[in-house]
Amino acid sequence: SAVISQKPSRDICQRGTSLTIQCQVDSQVTMMFWYRQQPGQSLTLIATANQGSEATYESGFVIDKFPISRPNLTFSTLTVSNMSPEDSSIYLCSVEAPGLAGPDTQYFGPGTRLTVL
Amino acid sequence: DAKTTQPPSMDCAEGRAANLPCNHSTISGNEYVYWYRQIHSQGPQYIIHGLKNNETNEMASLIITEDRKSSTLILPHATLRDTAVYYCIVRANSGYALNFGKGTSLLVTP
Repeated sequence: SAVISQKPSRDICQRGTSLTIQCQVDSQVTMMFWYRQQPGQSLTLIATANQGSEATYESGFVIDKFPISRPNLTFSTLTVSNMSPEDSSIYLCSVEAPGLAGPDTQYFGPGTRLTVL
Repeated sequence: DAKTTQPPSMDCAEGRAANLPCNHSTISGNEYVYWYRQIHSQGPQYIIHGLKNNETNEMASLIITEDRKSSTLILPHATLRDTAVYYCIVRANSGYALNFGKGTSLLVTP
């Protein structure tokens, strides 16, 4: 398995500002993912972040709004830029680690709860 | 990855077995069935996964039908702390994000 921590755990921000969320893993991993969970909704993938390459964004998410860094195999950041109240969500990072059988298992961080006023 | 269908909500009395069904009638031969749960406002927690054989670990049991078109997650002795949204997901390959549907909201009552 993998142990994942995120900082901050929660924040309240003013519209128009930016917040950078950090994701730290206790082991080296290739695949990292960033998800968003809006209030009352399921998880939606924002982007896939592989070390050494540009992040791959899902439809509806753009790099200017959600820039991602992946400087090494244990760390990534997601920035939510020029925030609006619609960005109020839980942001989650996840990683893949080998499981007992089948595809690698994905493990999730505790999430960052963002409220934009 | 194949789509899954789960009931939106279920109730279970504390101490009883919780049986959560999942339909995945279009599952392919190389797709595994994964179960996760999300306790309120926390990150999803991996529970168990399987291909075609029944699986058991310290958290739960996974029963997959012979035709693999459906499965059941069993929490043998549900506790109040098992109240959560349970997600059934099928996937074949590493390197791809998980497709979370709406899941089943399980309420364990005293």
